[in-house]
Amino acid sequence: QVQLVESGGGVVQPGGSLRLSCAASGFTFSTYNMHWVRQAPGKGLEWVAIINTDGDVEYNGDSMKGRFTISRDNSRNTLHLQMNTLRTEDTALYYCVRDGTSTVTYTLDYWGQGTLVTVSS
Amino acid sequence: DIVMTQTPLSSPVTLGQPASISCRSSQSLVHSDGNTYLSWLQQRPGQPPRLLIYKLSNRFSGVPDRFSGSGAGTDFTLKISRVEAEDVGVYYCMQATQFPWTFGQGTKVEIK
Repeated sequence: QVQLVESGGGVVQPGGSLRLSCAASGFTFSTYNMHWVRQAPGKGLEWVAIINTDGDVEYNGDSMKGRFTISRDNSRNTLHLQMNTLRTEDTALYYCVRDGTSTVTYTLDYWGQGTLVTVSS
Repeated sequence: DIVMTQTPLSSPVTLGQPASISCRSSQSLVHSDGNTYLSWLQQRPGQPPRLLIYKLSNRFSGVPDRFSGSGAGTDFTLKISRVEAEDVGVYYCMQATQFPWTFGQGTKVEIK
């Protein structure tokens, strides 16, 4: 079965950096586009970024584009999100999500449990 | 960016009764390929979101047939034919027609 396990979250001061990872299993990772989606405490969902099978990327807005970097290591079935110059408003649960394009359509079909990032002084 | 607006934000329902959630997009979700990439997700308390409906009206694997999606253009609806206790949670519409992909604010379904 599809499994997505995030790690790397924690408490970081404003201006700091974190690198999130997502270990994927149960499917052929290299053939799927992958996403990060975040959810601030008690709030709704916010799409962060996508990386396709060719390594092409898209980010949500200039703010994330300049500070976040999504990457993948197909040899290790792992997705990453490098986050720099973190702000208090980046505090959220970060989900690793599989893209459904290879199976059903443009959608988000399987979600990990998330890793919590807290930006606070 | 496409703005997704859901109504109502809260929906108290009686067990066994139907429920309906509306979602409106700020622009048409019809893609250049002719498809409408509107999905519905369910988030039960303390859980990650789960895909229910994709491409407007298609139920994802394992989703009960009491869930149905409909709509066109900019107006969409999720219906639960008979609400069960396990349906409690927050429901989100999401568009994947155009980057950045965007979500509605969420509709909380609770039992009266």
